[in-house]
Amino acid sequence: ILNVEQSPQSLHVQEGDSTNFTCSFPSSNFYALHWYRWETAKSPEALFVMTLNGDEKKKGRISATLNTKEGYSYLYIKGSQPEDSATYLCAPPNDMRFGAGTRLTVKP
Amino acid sequence: SQTIHQWPATLVQPVGSPLSLECTVEGTSNPNLYWYRQAAGRGLQLLFYSVGIGQISSEVPQNLSASRPQDRQFILSSKKLLLSDSGFYLCAWGGLAHYNEQFFGPGTRLTVL
Repeated sequence: ILNVEQSPQSLHVQEGDSTNFTCSFPSSNFYALHWYRWETAKSPEALFVMTLNGDEKKKGRISATLNTKEGYSYLYIKGSQPEDSATYLCAPPNDMRFGAGTRLTVKP
Repeated sequence: SQTIHQWPATLVQPVGSPLSLECTVEGTSNPNLYWYRQAAGRGLQLLFYSVGIGQISSEVPQNLSASRPQDRQFILSSKKLLLSDSGFYLCAWGGLAHYNEQFFGPGTRLTVL
């Protein structure tokens, strides 16, 4: 079982700001990591799957990096927009126990 | 393509009544299936997961149960609902492709009064 922790729990930024948050995990038994975006009252949607140390994935203004040696993955949002407001979750693929998430609020 | 169906979309039930939520998946075989719950103000909690017919793993002790009578059917049940069972219930499926990336159903909003 890969237990993940996410920080911060919540984040408030202004429109146009860039921001990032963290998913931490024990580096000793890493296999892969998923990032999801979860808007209120909707279903979570997959953003990235991170597998190799040094991985960097990008989708529009959102990108993610992976450091398996030190046990963390960062999610970056460049030029945040109000529509980016959501909870961002990470989870390992085997048992899919999600972290508590980072709740991002982007103020116009 | 794969699709996941979940119903009902909303449900209001009295305390002590039974519950049955159904989830079905199309377009894939032998998927891993999951039930999650989001209680008010809280995160996404894994309730049950199944890797095959009749194989259910329970994550938390509670008055809920799950069954998988067919390969692509996953049912969440309760004999007697509690107020604390209120929440947003999500079914999801995953497979070996893309490291078990999960695809979620539309969810059921359950209110227990």
